[in-house]
Order: sequence, then structure tokens, then C-alpha cells
Amino acid sequence: DIQMTQSPASLSASLGETVTIECRASEDIYNGLAWYQQKPGKSPQLLIYNANSLHTGVPSRFSGSGSGTQYSLKINSLQSEDVASYFCQQYYDYRTFGGGTKLELK
Amino acid sequence: EVKLVESGGGLVQPGRSLKLSCAASGFSFNDYWMGWVRQAPGKGLEWIGEINQDSSTINYTPSLKDKFTISRDNAQNTLYLQMSKLGSEDTAIYYCARGLRRVYWGQGVMVTVSS
Repeated sequence: DIQMTQSPASLSASLGETVTIECRASEDIYNGLAWYQQKPGKSPQLLIYNANSLHTGVPSRFSGSGSGTQYSLKINSLQSEDVASYFCQQYYDYRTFGGGTKLELK
Repeated sequence: EVKLVESGGGLVQPGRSLKLSCAASGFSFNDYWMGWVRQAPGKGLEWIGEINQDSSTINYTPSLKDKFTISRDNAQNTLYLQMSKLGSEDTAIYYCARGLRRVYWGQGVMVTVSS
């Protein structure tokens, strides 16, 4: 089984700041990675797929990068509506999620 | 508009069974792999399993395969999750999911296992 280690578990940032969330896979997942945003009381929403492809309708301040076992999600110019939890998911070999990152405003 | 509406959740006693349904609309249901994901209160996401378009392939997370059975009815555009021998650890929101890579999620249904 591929394990996904996501960091940090929580993050506090100011409006306008740039934040980065990382996921590390236990083996090479060949860019088979998605990022989801989940706001309180809501279901997750797709942000990024194939490690770096922006899903339709997602603001361009979100971006994904990485390869091999290391991947990251970057949010430029943090907005209040970005307060949420973020999860990575690998789909190269079955499907597993990272533990999540809770993003709050400082 | 794509819609996935889960139903069948609620309070269930330990050791009992429960069957969830997911009614799909707004897309061609029989063109997609479908799956179930759960999220325990305050916790992360756990992929339960998935079923292909004609039900010929069904995969489960190994630790969960003895407890859950996934099925679908393409004529009714409905996905199912049969859960058995439920324990407190199964208390969670259960989400219906369309697709395996660019997942579209239902709104979720709460299942509480308690006496």
C-alpha cells in the first residue's frame, strides 16, 4: 500500500501570504496525485489533478507541483475564502489520502 | 448539473447492518467508475472501495473488505454500499464519489454507530 504523509497538519497564515502544503508518498506515484479543498460542513472539492493541472473553475492562485514521491500545493495571495482543510490523494496505485492540512487565518 | 445524493444513514446499533444509496443525476452514470469514501468526525478521508462501469471489477481497501459491499444499478443510476457488523469505528460521514482520479463528491450522509 502507498502511504501519503501530508504536512503540516495545521497552518496559520495571513491574508495575502503564500502558503505551501506538502505530500510525500511512500513510493513513486508518477504524478498520480490530486489536491482537494474541504470547507467546514462541506464535501471536498477538486483543486488540482495529475499533480499540476488546475481543475476547471479553480482560481489561478492555486498551483501544484512535484514529481516522484514529493508533491506540493501552493496558494498565492491567500484569501479569506481559502480557509479550509486540504487533502492530497494518490491514484497511481489504488487510492489513498494524506492526513490533511487545516488552514486558518492568522 | 452533476448531483450525487446519498441516503440511508442514521443511528444504528453496534453489530447491525446498514445499506446506503447514492442517487446520481446530471451525467451518464454508466460511463463512470464510482466509489465510496468515509470521514470519521474530525478526521481525514478514507477510500472504502470502487466499482467499475459494468460491475465486473470491484476493489476494496484491504482492511475494510470484510465489512463493506459495493454495488450499482445502472438502470436506476444508483450506487450502493452495504455495511455489516458495524462498530463505533464506523461512525463517519460517508461520501459517494464519481471517478477515481478527478473525484466529484456527493454531500455525504452521516452514519452513527451507537447503542
